[in-house]
Amino acid sequence: GAVVSQHPSRVICKSGTSVKIECRSLDFQATTMFWYRQFPKQSLMLMATSNEGSKATYEQGVEKDKFLINHASLTLSTLTVTSAHPEDSSFYICSAADRFHNEQFFGPGTRLTVL
Amino acid sequence: AQTVTQSQPEMSVQEAETVTLSCTYDTSESNYYLFWYKQPPSRQMILVIRQEAYKQQNATENRFSVNFQKAAKSFSLKISDSQLGDTAMYFCAFMKYSNQGGSEKLVFGKGTKLTVNP
Repeated sequence: GAVVSQHPSRVICKSGTSVKIECRSLDFQATTMFWYRQFPKQSLMLMATSNEGSKATYEQGVEKDKFLINHASLTLSTLTVTSAHPEDSSFYICSAADRFHNEQFFGPGTRLTVL
Repeated sequence: AQTVTQSQPEMSVQEAETVTLSCTYDTSESNYYLFWYKQPPSRQMILVIRQEAYKQQNATENRFSVNFQKAAKSFSLKISDSQLGDTAMYFCAFMKYSNQGGSEKLVFGKGTKLTVNP
């Protein structure tokens, strides 16, 4: 089956620093990747959609300059949280899809804690 | 815009019994997909079952089956012979059909927390 990895699985950083989260499709070419945010006991909230080689499309209310998304290759997308603050603490999940399947494959998630 | 509603925040069931989780959705699309995902305590999202809207036959995957009522915009999940490992959050999700192939964005419901009791 299709496998998606995320790194790191958990990260703790100080307020004001930037954090980069990687999402990789290990055994397929991901033409589209999605980034979600999930607060405790809540559902997944889509932050942005990225297509390989194109700028990401952000959902309404998501700050583009704060959450930088890069999808430079067919197997890698990165989410950078710039100048992180405690309110950015959350669980971030990526998913990936190829052009052949109407299905997203999810990574295991990254727990971000900002002190 | 599409919306997905799960009206049961929490449910519980005894091991080996059957439980049904409810989901309704709203859309003006004619072609779309519906999914049930499971999120155990590990928080890894696991696809349980999917349904193509153009298919009248309800999808089945082992102990999991759906009751898809397109006219009523209802998509319930039935879990038979419940097992302790079924304890998890269950999310219903909608995805519209992509003319270009591949995946469109998923719209999730708020989830139902299912507890299977021994």
